[in-house]
Amino acid sequence: DVKVTQSSRYLVKRTGEKVFLECVQDMDHENMFWYRQDPGLGLRLIYFSYDVKMKEKGDIPEGYSVSREKKERFSLILESASTNQTSMYLCASSSGQGAHYGYTFGSGTRLTVV
Amino acid sequence: ILNVEQSPQSLHVQEGDSTNFTCSFPSSNFYALHWYRWETAKSPEALFVMTLNGDEKKKGRISATLNTKEGYSYLYIKGSQPEDSATYLCASNMDSNYQLIWGAGTKLIIKP
Repeated sequence: DVKVTQSSRYLVKRTGEKVFLECVQDMDHENMFWYRQDPGLGLRLIYFSYDVKMKEKGDIPEGYSVSREKKERFSLILESASTNQTSMYLCASSSGQGAHYGYTFGSGTRLTVV
Repeated sequence: ILNVEQSPQSLHVQEGDSTNFTCSFPSSNFYALHWYRWETAKSPEALFVMTLNGDEKKKGRISATLNTKEGYSYLYIKGSQPEDSATYLCASNMDSNYQLIWGAGTKLIIKP
């Protein structure tokens, strides 16, 4: 069963902490994405990557960075967590064979910053 | 800014009834329209990816239609069951861009 795995389902962190959210996929997908989901809003793209060591800013990159050292792993880093980064974070991957392929999502990490 | 709009925001349906909801998207430079189902405590799951005007796709009791000229897609659920309770998300690509523009979702609640 193909899978996107996010390292934590729930996280509580303090303001100012550096936070790492890990995402691993086993489908050999080229594309990986980090989104956040807040009530009443569509998924908002934070960062994405089309290949190892490549990264592109999405719509809301401020306060975040990413790392993709290996094809299967895409990490989201909150450099200094703030309360407005409390949210559901979703990782997704897709095949690089075409933009008409669907995404495979992880089960999400609900992050609370206190 | 190009938006994808979904309506209604939420919907309560009696078990056994059929229902449908709408996704509106920018029709210029359209490439593909995606539908996902997101059940509570689970991962969003891809239902359909549609690219051709007039296309209709079906998966069990769920079907979707696509009108790329006017920029809308309908999702239909026939004979709703409790397991259909979920948030249904649609998203659109433009050109051949891998990035999706997402709607805010329609939350469907099936009443037994």
